[in-house]
Amino acid sequence: LAKTTQPISMDSYEGQEVNITCSHNNIATNDYITWYQQFPSQGPRFIIQGYKTKVTNEVASLFIPADRKSSTLSLPRVSLSDTAVYYCLVGDKGLGNDMRFGAGTRLTVKP
Amino acid sequence: GAVVSQHPSRVICKSGTSVKIECRSLDFQATTMFWYRQFPKQSLMLMATSNEGSKATYEQGVEKDKFLINHASLTLSTLTVTSAHPEDSSFYICSASALSGSTDTQYFGPGTRLTVL
Repeated sequence: LAKTTQPISMDSYEGQEVNITCSHNNIATNDYITWYQQFPSQGPRFIIQGYKTKVTNEVASLFIPADRKSSTLSLPRVSLSDTAVYYCLVGDKGLGNDMRFGAGTRLTVKP
Repeated sequence: GAVVSQHPSRVICKSGTSVKIECRSLDFQATTMFWYRQFPKQSLMLMATSNEGSKATYEQGVEKDKFLINHASLTLSTLTVTSAHPEDSSFYICSASALSGSTDTQYFGPGTRLTVL
């Protein structure tokens, strides 16, 4: 299983763009990259998933370079409600793949 | 996205009792469900992988006789904490794997806060 490394914490201000990078040097060919957001005392919430290049949805963008050894979650114009822990997971797309969480990145958005 | 529910959301019990936590996929069938435990200020720790109709696969260090997992149907998995002790107090979260075409995404339940007195 590919191990992930993220910054422990990040601070930002409302309205700024936030980029959180995750390193996964031993990512396997079949592995996809998934990002989750977790608020205190809640289950993680799916944000975005990708395999290569760039993926964008209504809440975030995911940038994956050609070597796929890292990925960057981009949150445009963050607000106070984006304060949460963000997890990057790497795993096989097949059924039965297990999902082990790294330490995550604690994002604090300040007014 | 897909919805996963957990019941109860919060439980307080006396030491030595057993507690059952249910995890349901509400709008999809989940062949695989996962159980996690999360202590304050820490990340989620995978406890076991549950496959419908077969025995769960436990992570190293997780006692299978203490944390009983039953995945009886494609929409329901249960975790029973047997003879709970205060050190079992934690936030328990389940997730279910939703397969759509070639994609496979984990959707998480809201979690169950267990407090053992």
